[in-house]
Amino acid sequence: SQQGEEDPQALSIQEGENATMNCSYKTSINNLQWYRQNSGRGLVHLILIRSNEREKHSGRLRVTLDTSKKSSSLLITASRAADTASYFCATEITGTASKLTFGTGTRLQVTL
Amino acid sequence: NAGVMQNPRHLVRRRGQEARLRCSPMKGHSHVYWYRQLPEEGLKFMVYLQKENIIDESGMPKERFSAEFPKEGPSILRIQQVVRGDSAAYFCASSPRQGRNYGYTFGSGTRLTVV
Repeated sequence: SQQGEEDPQALSIQEGENATMNCSYKTSINNLQWYRQNSGRGLVHLILIRSNEREKHSGRLRVTLDTSKKSSSLLITASRAADTASYFCATEITGTASKLTFGTGTRLQVTL
Repeated sequence: NAGVMQNPRHLVRRRGQEARLRCSPMKGHSHVYWYRQLPEEGLKFMVYLQKENIIDESGMPKERFSAEFPKEGPSILRIQQVVRGDSAAYFCASSPRQGRNYGYTFGSGTRLTVV
């Protein structure tokens, strides 16, 4: 399996519910980043958490990082239909200098 | 301040032709990265360039693929003698300095279809 695997692969929720996505990785990292990709579009940077941080917030987003378990979670609270997209975690592996390793993504569907 | 600009958005090439993909980084960004995304997959790193220098090309196939980032003008990803397996979305990202602990700004990508 590859560095940066998201779980679940797909998630369908109703508007107003919370969405939680998880990411696991294998090696030591400088930081972990979350990106959103709308269908057929480019990636939008959501949030970056450094290896010495445990939790970070940005608006309705909450990211946690557990380096002992090599895992991260992205929580989107009070989801909206506009949150429908694919979400990717990406790790900057220690010693690789500026090269991101992406997971396969979680496809989130938020219905009205 | 325009974001990362990639063109063309869509490119169709016949097998054996050459594909040239262009990327203009954000203003003030001197570091450019190219990634490839196959359908239903995450992005795979290809190459990292600074002006006139290739820093890391460990993700780029040894044959047919090349990249440059000249002193003036956009970064170019060139694929010679394209094959059907080259069909993918190619994304460019830029950052103002070596990306450690900085997020990356991605372009909208070039979708290459080889027929």
